[in-house]
Amino acid sequence: KAGVTQTPRYLIKTRGQQVTLSCSPISGHRSVSWYQQTPGQGLQFLFEYFSETQRNKGNFPGRFSGRQFSNSRSEMNVSTLELGDSALYLCASSLVGEAGELFFGEGSRLTVL
Amino acid sequence: GQNIDQPTEMTATEGAIVQINCTYQTSGFNGLFWYQQHAGEAPTFLSYNVLDGLEEKGRFSSFLSRSKGYSYLLLKELQMKDSASYLCAVRGLSGAGSYQLTFGKGTKLSVIP
Repeated sequence: KAGVTQTPRYLIKTRGQQVTLSCSPISGHRSVSWYQQTPGQGLQFLFEYFSETQRNKGNFPGRFSGRQFSNSRSEMNVSTLELGDSALYLCASSLVGEAGELFFGEGSRLTVL
Repeated sequence: GQNIDQPTEMTATEGAIVQINCTYQTSGFNGLFWYQQHAGEAPTFLSYNVLDGLEEKGRFSSFLSRSKGYSYLLLKELQMKDSASYLCAVRGLSGAGSYQLTFGKGTKLSVIP
C-alpha cells in the first residue's frame, strides 16, 4: 500500500515568486492536512481538507491557500514568497475525519532566496 | 486556543529508561498523540490516549491525565535508534468548531552509549 506522496521534494524559489506543492494521500484516505515545520516553531497547522472542503485553517496569512480534488489529492499554494516561508511543508492524510491518526509524507523542502 | 509544552532536548544512556513529559491546554480535548521523527524523515505515529491511564506498546508507553492536562511518553531499554524528536500532539476544538491536531515543538532525544 503506497504511502503519502509529496512533490516536489526540494525546491528553491526567490522572494516574490509563488509555489505550488502537491500531495497524494494514501488510497482511501479522504482527509488531508498540511503543516509547516521550521526549527524554531516546530509543526504548525496550515489547513485541513475533507471531501474537497476546507474544514480548518491555521493562523497563516492569505498568501497560503490550498485545495483538494475529487480524488482526494491536494495542493497548497504560497504566493509572493518571503524569506520566512523557507521550511519543510508536510502533508498528512487520515482515514477518518476530525483529525484522526495522521500518516505523513516525506515533505517538500522549500528554500526562498 | 491550544498550548502544548514539552522539553526541548533530553539525553539518556543506551539501555536506560527515559520519560518525556507534555503539558497542554486546549478546548474540547479529544485525544493526545505521540509521534516520532528521525532527522530528515517524516513523523510516524507512536501512540494515542483519549482516556486517563497508561497505554503500553512494546518498549514504549504513554500516560494521560486529563484533569492535569498532562501526558508522558516512557521509553524503556533505550537503543541508539531511539535518537529522534518526539512530538506531542493534542486534538481539540478549533475556532471553527471542528477538531484540529496541534503539535508541540518536539523533544529532541539523544541516546548515548
